[in-house]
Amino acid sequence: EPEVTQTPSHQVTQMGQEVILRCVPISNHLYFYWYRQILGQKVEFLVSFYNNEISEKSEIFDDQFSVERPDGSNFTLKIRSTKLEDSAMYFCASRGIGTGGRETQYFGPGTRLLVL
Amino acid sequence: KQEVTQIPAALSVPEGENLVLNCSFTDSAIYNLQWFRQDPGKGLTSLLLIQSSQREQTSGRLNASLDKSSGRSTLYIAASQPGDSATYLCAVDTGRRALTFGSGTRLQVQP
Repeated sequence: EPEVTQTPSHQVTQMGQEVILRCVPISNHLYFYWYRQILGQKVEFLVSFYNNEISEKSEIFDDQFSVERPDGSNFTLKIRSTKLEDSAMYFCASRGIGTGGRETQYFGPGTRLLVL
Repeated sequence: KQEVTQIPAALSVPEGENLVLNCSFTDSAIYNLQWFRQDPGKGLTSLLLIQSSQREQTSGRLNASLDKSSGRSTLYIAASQPGDSATYLCAVDTGRRALTFGSGTRLQVQP
């Protein structure tokens, strides 16, 4: 069964450094999402992406964040200058037709980011 | 704005018990509702997805119900096992927008 993949699984970085989190959505999906989960807290929406542009973003997704689909398969989240509070699990999801013939979101395994 | 609440926040039961986890949402105009399982430090495993037109879905020992008009869903786990210990998350889909997640119920099944 096709699945969403994410790399790396873990990343440790120094405060102020740039990080790029990578995702490969399911190939025939058109809608892509990033969520994050700070340890012990809710899964929170960051941004959605459709037709090569951001379709919706939350208040968390400030100027330090950007997303890109650099080629036909990858979907990336960049954090320009990481802060301690960016430490979280970051989930990528893509949306497409699931079982039952209706659209649903499929989640990747996550990237755990630790900012020191 | 959609708000999702899960009760209880934590639950500890002896092995073999049947249990019910609750999820409520404020906006009944939903596309579907999903239940996920999350083990500590791990990703999200989709357990059941209920479309807005459905009343319930079953998978093995799990049964999820949906009452859209009252803004509620329940996840029923039959004959609980220690391996069921995890956090269970409810998430509401209101269309092509983001999922809105609850805070989860942390389940501990005692052997």
